[in-house]
Amino acid sequence: AQTVTQSQPEMSVQEAETVTLSCTYDTSESDYYLFWYKQPPSRQMILVIRQEAYKQQNATENRFSVNFQKAAKSFSLKISDSQLGDAAMYFCAYRSPISSGSARQLTFGSGTQLTVLP
Amino acid sequence: DSGVTQTPKHLITATGQRVTLRCSPRSGDLSVYWYQQSLDQGLQFLIQYYNGEERAKGNILERFSAQQFPDLHSELNLSSLELGDSALYFCASSADTGFYSPLHFGNGTRLTVT
Repeated sequence: AQTVTQSQPEMSVQEAETVTLSCTYDTSESDYYLFWYKQPPSRQMILVIRQEAYKQQNATENRFSVNFQKAAKSFSLKISDSQLGDAAMYFCAYRSPISSGSARQLTFGSGTQLTVLP
Repeated sequence: DSGVTQTPKHLITATGQRVTLRCSPRSGDLSVYWYQQSLDQGLQFLIQYYNGEERAKGNILERFSAQQFPDLHSELNLSSLELGDSALYFCASSADTGFYSPLHFGNGTRLTVT
């Protein structure tokens, strides 16, 4: 079974600065998907960014980018030019591909609570 | 708007009672996933249904059950409720076809057991 670990329960960043959230995972699969979800105080689950394991290029979505290190099984999220609205709980998640034939639910890490300081 | 509808939004009930949470997936999505999020906790996978059949099971208690109906909506039944069952319950749907099918989350049902 896959596991996802987020070792930083809480992080803080000054507005307009850059912050990196860490995530490691364990899997025996060679192909898979990785995600970062944001959960603001409203408790909605919002997809921030995704990465396909077969792609070497790191995914980028506006101010959000990832550093995907497949050999190290590491998947960190970098938030540039942090804004007050970025304050939220961030979850890293793993998902098997359809081709794996295995269960395809998202496996989540325990989350990192990000505070943005004005 | 994810297109996934969960009802009710809030539910307050007493210990020992039984409740039913409902989820309507996005149009065209065949899979429904249920997750439980306790206060300040991550999301725990409970169960998945695909086109009416149970596909995967996670950490779902025997007091909990679920089903997916022919119109693809799903219900999560929680019985003999305990204080520890208080949580946010999410439903997510996915087409689960093709190379990549994202999960779309509903806004959750907040269950409070008193």
